Amino acid sequence: DGGITQSPKYLFRKEGQNVTLSCEQNLNHDAMYWYRQDPGQGLRLIYYSQIVNDFQKGDIAEGYSVSREKKESFPLTVTSAQKNPTAFYLCASSPKPEASGYTFGSGTRLTVV
Amino acid sequence: QKEVEQNSGPLSVPEGAIASLNCTYSDRVSQSFFWYRQYSGKSPELIMSIYSNGDKEDGRFTAQLNKASQYVSLLIRDSQPSDSATYLCAVNREYNNDMRFGAGTRLTVKP
Repeated sequence: DGGITQSPKYLFRKEGQNVTLSCEQNLNHDAMYWYRQDPGQGLRLIYYSQIVNDFQKGDIAEGYSVSREKKESFPLTVTSAQKNPTAFYLCASSPKPEASGYTFGSGTRLTVV
Repeated sequence: QKEVEQNSGPLSVPEGAIASLNCTYSDRVSQSFFWYRQYSGKSPELIMSIYSNGDKEDGRFTAQLNKASQYVSLLIRDSQPSDSATYLCAVNREYNNDMRFGAGTRLTVKP
């Protein structure tokens, strides 16, 4: 079955540590996105990519980095510069960003310990 | 002003009633509008999309769009306890190709 796989489901980060969240899709979608969700708030865009080897910053890119070396993969690194990383992270993809809704992965819940 | 605004709720309706969820958006150039359902602790799931003014029906769901008023709504007929979830309104800004989400309305359907 086609879909988006995010891993791990739960992740714990120590202070000063970088962590990488995985996002893999087998839907043959061109566009991929990373959102952050905090309680009581809407999804906020971190980064998005519409084509391999190209990506753009979203509204809250500071403290995060991404890569898009393959169409299927769009990993997100949460760096030590991100001071408040505890949140629910959602990866999404779409075939045509201007016309289609998004398919979401199951999410990664990141907690700072 | 937030780009996409929704009443946070909670909205409570009895089983079998019609649930009405509302959303307003600020960017007039927006072209695509979506409703997602998100169960607690889970990721959003696309349930409706609408692109032109008027109504669009899919089973028990009806999406309504009024671009002049910058207003989108979702009606759920014959509400079921399984419809209890947070409903996210999303608006796609064509020129920037990214989706803007509201904070969501929490719906509870009581048996």
